[in-house]
Amino acid sequence: GQQVMQIPQYQHVQEGEDFTTYCNSSTTLSNIQWYKQRPGGHPVFLIQLVKSGEVKKQKRLTFQFGEAKKNSSLHITATQTTDVGTYFCAGPRIGGGGADGLTFGKGTHLIIQP
Amino acid sequence: DTGVSQNPRHKITKRGQNVTFRCDPISEHNRLYWYRQTLGQGPEFLTYFQNEAQLEKSRLLSDRFSAERPKGSFSTLEIQRTEQGDSAMYLCASSRDTWRAFFGQGTRLTVV
Repeated sequence: GQQVMQIPQYQHVQEGEDFTTYCNSSTTLSNIQWYKQRPGGHPVFLIQLVKSGEVKKQKRLTFQFGEAKKNSSLHITATQTTDVGTYFCAGPRIGGGGADGLTFGKGTHLIIQP
Repeated sequence: DTGVSQNPRHKITKRGQNVTFRCDPISEHNRLYWYRQTLGQGPEFLTYFQNEAQLEKSRLLSDRFSAERPKGSFSTLEIQRTEQGDSAMYLCASSRDTWRAFFGQGTRLTVV
């Protein structure tokens, strides 16, 4: 079945350092989504990438979708304490756009030391 | 937009008891999803509804689990004869024929 893998599982950074998490799918994806879950919270949608090679930015966050549409990355520049949480990538569960549900990676837990 | 609401937020139950969780989706959303999340893992798909029709159930959903969405509004997830392995966060999400899922705050189940 479809698998979505993320590395690293945990990342400790000093405040102000950059952070990157990587996502790989066992199958080609029509799109990939990123969610953030704060400690004790629920997943919150960040962004969706659809096109091969697509790059999107949200302030200090940069999201990329690979050319083969099987991998993606999230890069945070100059981390802040508000960035603490777990970042998940997710792909459509059944070859469609995602309306039938999502397959999530295990997430990357970002821990920031002041 | 009042968001997706789940009740209760926490539930502690004894092994063998039945439990029921409720999810109220965003009102205009026709799709509703249930996921389960254990510590250190991502959400795992359980089942989903389009309006009142349950379209698919994951193999993770044993016969002890049942979900309903009467009238295509709120949904309930019932677990019968709970086991310790059922301890997890149960997340509900909704969407309106799109890919973007809006998650509720979840119900944390602890089976003792």
